[in-house]
Amino acid sequence: GQQVMQIPQYQHVQEGEDFTTYCNSSTTLSNIQWYKQRPGGHPVFLIQLVKSGEVKKQKRLTFQFGEAKKNSSLHITATQTTDVGTYFCAGRVKIIFGKGTRLHILP
Amino acid sequence: NAGVTQTPKFQVLKTGQSMTLQCAQDMNHEYMSWYRQDPGMGLRLIHYSVGAGITDQGEVPNGYNVSRSTTEDFPLRLLSAAPSQTSVYFCASSYGMTETQYFGPGTRLLVL
Repeated sequence: GQQVMQIPQYQHVQEGEDFTTYCNSSTTLSNIQWYKQRPGGHPVFLIQLVKSGEVKKQKRLTFQFGEAKKNSSLHITATQTTDVGTYFCAGRVKIIFGKGTRLHILP
Repeated sequence: NAGVTQTPKFQVLKTGQSMTLQCAQDMNHEYMSWYRQDPGMGLRLIHYSVGAGITDQGEVPNGYNVSRSTTEDFPLRLLSAAPSQTSVYFCASSYGMTETQYFGPGTRLLVL
C-alpha cells in the first residue's frame, strides 16, 4: 500500500539553528500538504504543494516538492521557540499522514 | 463559523462499554474523516466520508463504526471499547479529499 515516510521522527535543535524535515512517498503524489501540531493541540494546515519542483515560502519556512512528486521537505531557518511542535506531511489518496517529526527547541 | 467541533473533550471508559464520539462542522464540507493519534504512530485514518450517506474504511477501521446521515455530522461509534482504543481522536473536514483539512480540537479517550 501507499506509504508516506517522514524523517527524522524526533529532533532537538538549539534556538537559532536551522531545521529540516523530509517526507518520502512510495508512490507519486498528486499533491502534498504540511500541517503543524502544537503540543496539546490539533493539526493546523500550513501549505499545499501541487506542482513538480514547486517551492513555497512562509516567512522562515520553505517548502519544496520534489521533481518526481515523491518527496517533499520543510526547512525552517533560524528556529524560534514558537516553532516547537510536530510537523506532518500528508500525501493524496486517503490523505496518508507521515508519523510526524517532533521538534524541540533548546533555549 | 464554529469550524469543526468535537465532543466530549475527555472520556474514560471501561472495557466493553460503548460510546459515540461526536463531530460536527458548519462549513458545508463534503469530506469528513476520523483519525486516531498515538505516540510514535502519527495520525492514522479510521473512517472517512465523501458525502452524506457515503462512508468508507481507512487504515485502522476495526472496532469502529461511522455513519453520515447529514453533511454536518459524522459520529464515530465504539461498540465495545478495548484498552487498545485508548488514544486521541481527531475529526477533520474539507471540501474535497485532497483539499485543506480542518481539524477539530480532539477527544482524549482512556479505556481501562
